[in-house]
Amino acid sequence: KAGVTQTPRYLIKTRGQQVTLSCSPISGHRSVSWYQQTPGQGLQFLFEYFSETQRNKGNFPGRFSGRQFSNSRSEMNVSTLELGDSALYLCASSLGPVLVETGNTEAFFGQGTRLTVV
Amino acid sequence: AQSVSQHNHHVILSEAASLELGCNYSYGGTVNLFWYVQYPGQHLQLLLKYFSGDPLVKGIKGFEAEFIKSKFSFNLRKPSVQWSDTAEYFCAVREKDTGRRALTFGSGTRLQVQP
Repeated sequence: KAGVTQTPRYLIKTRGQQVTLSCSPISGHRSVSWYQQTPGQGLQFLFEYFSETQRNKGNFPGRFSGRQFSNSRSEMNVSTLELGDSALYLCASSLGPVLVETGNTEAFFGQGTRLTVV
Repeated sequence: AQSVSQHNHHVILSEAASLELGCNYSYGGTVNLFWYVQYPGQHLQLLLKYFSGDPLVKGIKGFEAEFIKSKFSFNLRKPSVQWSDTAEYFCAVREKDTGRRALTFGSGTRLQVQP
């Protein structure tokens, strides 16, 4: 069973540009969450999507957005990049509706996309 | 807001030493608890999880953790570490009864095992 796939693995962008990152969850998983990992702030929750709807959102500015498609694949977009956006962006997928609703679900992480803003 | 504390930021042990990494959380309701490990250059992998039932949970690679509800703690243990356990360890908590499925992570503990 394929794991969580994130593309691209590495990305270098210039300040002010925008970027789109992609995440394909494990087959059958319908919940996708995004996290930002930096040495200073650790792992911070960005947002979660389930059935193409954003269910939860972390404390990030509106420059950070995302969406989920009908096949559960998800994208996140960061507009007007800042130097501080340089980070490892992790995607995690979780199982389908029953387990998600009871809360007993574990998240499986992808390898991440390392974004460097110069 | 929910917070998760890992008080040991960097731990250095010799092989065969015993390990205990602390994790405390602040949420007063029902929680799911997790320990993840991140080996150098690899993705986050689940070591073990607690959903309900026996508060002593066993995970992969000989790791175990004990949930002590009264202390809001979920400490990770391993009786005898190996050089291959060198990695960063993250405790994570999910608020089970709020519907908020996001994980709140601790800041991580970097474990270095010396041969």
